[in-house]
Amino acid sequence: DTGVSQDPRHKITKRGQNVTFRCDPISEHNRLYWYRQTLGQGPEFLTYFQNEAQLEKSRLLSDRFSAERPKGSFSTLEIQRTEQGDSAMYLCASSLGAGGQDTQYFGPGTRLTVL
Amino acid sequence: GESVGLHLPTLSVQEGDNSIINCAYSNSASDYFIWYKQESGKGPQFIIDIRSNMDKRQGQRVTVLLNKTVKHLSLQIAATQPGDSAVYFCAENIAGGSYIPTFGRGTSLIVHP
Repeated sequence: DTGVSQDPRHKITKRGQNVTFRCDPISEHNRLYWYRQTLGQGPEFLTYFQNEAQLEKSRLLSDRFSAERPKGSFSTLEIQRTEQGDSAMYLCASSLGAGGQDTQYFGPGTRLTVL
Repeated sequence: GESVGLHLPTLSVQEGDNSIINCAYSNSASDYFIWYKQESGKGPQFIIDIRSNMDKRQGQRVTVLLNKTVKHLSLQIAATQPGDSAVYFCAENIAGGSYIPTFGRGTSLIVHP
């Protein structure tokens, strides 16, 4: 399977714990995006990378959130001191990087439940 | 059947019928639009896109119509099948902008066999 992969698919944690998610994009894709999705809503943008550079962050990305893409390939999203409001599906997407008509391909997501 | 988007987020149709899912977008500067299909437990899947210099684009069993005058987008699915059951999102973007699409709320399509 050469699509976007995410790990883990599900994560249950207790409030206050730290969690880290991983995303492996499609291999030739330069851009990588993180989104959060809650039930019944569309994906909300969190941040994106062009190769290893983090170019944009949403106001949704509080200080407890950090994302990295150290070698321009896979990316990690860490949430520190998780809160119940962090419970959501965290989606990763990647794209070739071809201007505003650049198609994003999504992974299956990591569903986070904070107890 | 026809959906009015935000006012009717669920569309139920019989297998074999044509489905029309509507979307009203907000930014008059948006010039690139994408429809995604999201099945339960999966990430959104690209279906079809359209640029603002077009008003219609066809794919396999799907057609997207764009009316820039009223900022309206629709997705037509011909001969709807049970496998089409999913939530459908439209997304708008600005070419040459931040590359970040803005997603609408979504419409749930339920296809009855």
